[in-house]
Amino acid sequence: DAGVTQSPTHLIKTRGQQVTLRCSPKSGHDTVSWYQQALGQGPQFIFQYYEEEERQRGNFPDRFSGHQFPNYSSELNVNALLLGDSALYLCASSSDKGRLDEQYFGPGTRLTVT
Amino acid sequence: AQSVAQPEDQVNVAEGNPLTVKCTYSVSGNPYLFWYVQYPNRGLQFLLKYITGDNLVKGSYGFEAEFNKSQTSFHLKKPSALVSDSALYFCAVRAPMYSSASKIIFGSGTRLSIRP
Repeated sequence: DAGVTQSPTHLIKTRGQQVTLRCSPKSGHDTVSWYQQALGQGPQFIFQYYEEEERQRGNFPDRFSGHQFPNYSSELNVNALLLGDSALYLCASSSDKGRLDEQYFGPGTRLTVT
Repeated sequence: AQSVAQPEDQVNVAEGNPLTVKCTYSVSGNPYLFWYVQYPNRGLQFLLKYITGDNLVKGSYGFEAEFNKSQTSFHLKKPSALVSDSALYFCAVRAPMYSSASKIIFGSGTRLSIRP
């Protein structure tokens, strides 16, 4: 049973560019959440997708957008990259119908903005 | 607004000794509380959760946590530490807004270092 997978593992971008990160949830999960973890800090909630719609959003600007596909996989897009966007981006999946509140995290995508 | 605090950036314990990693929270209503562990270059791994019921919750790898409503705390404990327990530990809280996992607020993390 495959867990949560994320791609790419590492990414280097230049300020002003755009980036797309991808996440495949654990088998049987239908809800995907995205987090940003800056160095030395805890993960910060970006947004959550369920049934292909954004259900909740944290305090992140509109430069951060997402999408969920019919197969429950998800993308995180960041436009007009800033140096401060450098972080580990974590995807977490969960089941809206199953056990409550256990989120399974992927290994993350390390984004470096230069 | 919900929040969670981990007052210790680092905890150092000798192998074989008991360990405690502290966490306090603030949330409206009955909290959902979690502990996660993060090893280098890896994502977060779920350790345990408290939603309701017994105040002492047992989790993975011999860890347990005690929910104390009056002190709004949810400290992580282990009776006998192992060197392999060395990692970054995060406490998290969620208000029960939905029937499933939703927005979770994480603490800043506590680095646990177990010396042989």
